[in-house]
Amino acid sequence: ETGVTQTPRHLVMGMTNKKSLKCEQHLGHNAMYWYKQSAKKPLELMFVYNFKEQTENNSVPSRFSPECPNSSHLFLHLHTLQPEDSALYLCASSQEVGQGGTGELFFGEGSRLTVL
Amino acid sequence: RKEVEQDPGPFNVPEGATVAFNCTYSNSASQSFFWYRQDCRKEPKLLMSVYSSGNEDGRFTAQLNRASQYISLLIRDSKLSDSATYLCVVNSWRSYIPTFGRGTSLIVHP
Repeated sequence: ETGVTQTPRHLVMGMTNKKSLKCEQHLGHNAMYWYKQSAKKPLELMFVYNFKEQTENNSVPSRFSPECPNSSHLFLHLHTLQPEDSALYLCASSQEVGQGGTGELFFGEGSRLTVL
Repeated sequence: RKEVEQDPGPFNVPEGATVAFNCTYSNSASQSFFWYRQDCRKEPKLLMSVYSSGNEDGRFTAQLNRASQYISLLIRDSKLSDSATYLCVVNSWRSYIPTFGRGTSLIVHP
């Protein structure tokens, strides 16, 4: 039980589809993150939210659209993706060092996306 | 210079060996340090935090050298199950966004 839950765990979609990835954390953390990890590649930070406000957009194409309705939930909306977007998408949360936390990241199990 | 640098390896060692990984960081304001382990096609999981005084957890020992800005991870008596990628992660006091190294791959063989 990681405290960070991602759904769906696996997703196959066509290039014209619209889908969403969901992340939920039950840890009371103030920061939430989306990471992308392609096969045999390092983690790539995509988006960061702190107290529901987006604070980082790491030059991510607009076909990826994040949404953070509250501090416990994070979505990644996907539309007109490309086959090279196939990857493991990882959500994480943390409590900031300056907010009484340790900065440790807690990851969900990831959503494995395949774009056909 | 990358903010957090690790030797990507792979480190290929026999069971029972002792292996050490180093990680250097460039931000002198860094305050929190971690080692994560990532198995193939899985999410990273915290292996251990790294404290100024150094810390040990069973076969694993982590050290921090602030003057030289590096952290290390020592694994004694390697097991086959230790095969994974080990990620160095650094946080500064002013930023809640952790910085990851690219990871060091460890392969333990019989």
